[in-house]
Amino acid sequence: RKEVEQDPGPFNVPEGATVAFNCTYSNSASQSFFWYRQDCRKEPKLLMSVYSSGNEDGRFTAQLNRASQYISLLIRDSKLSDSATYLCVGSLSGGYQKVTFGTGTKLQVIP
Amino acid sequence: DTEVTQTPKHLVMGMTNKKSLKCEQHMGHRAMYWYKQKAKKPPELMFVYSYEKLSINESVPSRFSPECPNSSLLNLHLHALQPEDSALYLCASSQGPTGYTFGSGTRLTVV
Repeated sequence: RKEVEQDPGPFNVPEGATVAFNCTYSNSASQSFFWYRQDCRKEPKLLMSVYSSGNEDGRFTAQLNRASQYISLLIRDSKLSDSATYLCVGSLSGGYQKVTFGTGTKLQVIP
Repeated sequence: DTEVTQTPKHLVMGMTNKKSLKCEQHMGHRAMYWYKQKAKKPPELMFVYSYEKLSINESVPSRFSPECPNSSLLNLHLHALQPEDSALYLCASSQGPTGYTFGSGTRLTVV
């Protein structure tokens, strides 16, 4: 079983729609979680950290459920510019981070 | 300065060549990483340096040789690579549990 699992998609959604991605992790020792966004042929960029209390940044909401070991990302009012691959990441925090990337979920927002 | 700078952006090398990839950050991050990413796959960890010491080597072949001359610089020396080593090589840095900052990567083609 992979340490971090995501549905690869693609998720094809119309502009303005709400879309949700889930990610499950198997290492209960993971302490920090993140969502990254990666555009085609570009580097991953940190989208947001994920906390148990949930956190929101504009149209994006992330949530961590430690009991069920899953992380979610909700995107409201999808824009064409949201089209990208979204990577779920779990990290064993320490002096450095041992990070495990999920396989990524591809989102295509269509006009 | 909140960037990680990688050079060169593109590199084509023969299987007998020796080349080096360079990475620089001035954010005071004490952990630096090399990742390899193939198309449609998540980044795979190669090496982690923490406080300028090699902390993780993920069983990477010896034809890849990392070097951390100081806290701001990270090099990856390449020698006798194979065509299957063609990929996007990403450098990243981090400080504490705040997520990575990635460089824009070096797209390597081995011919």
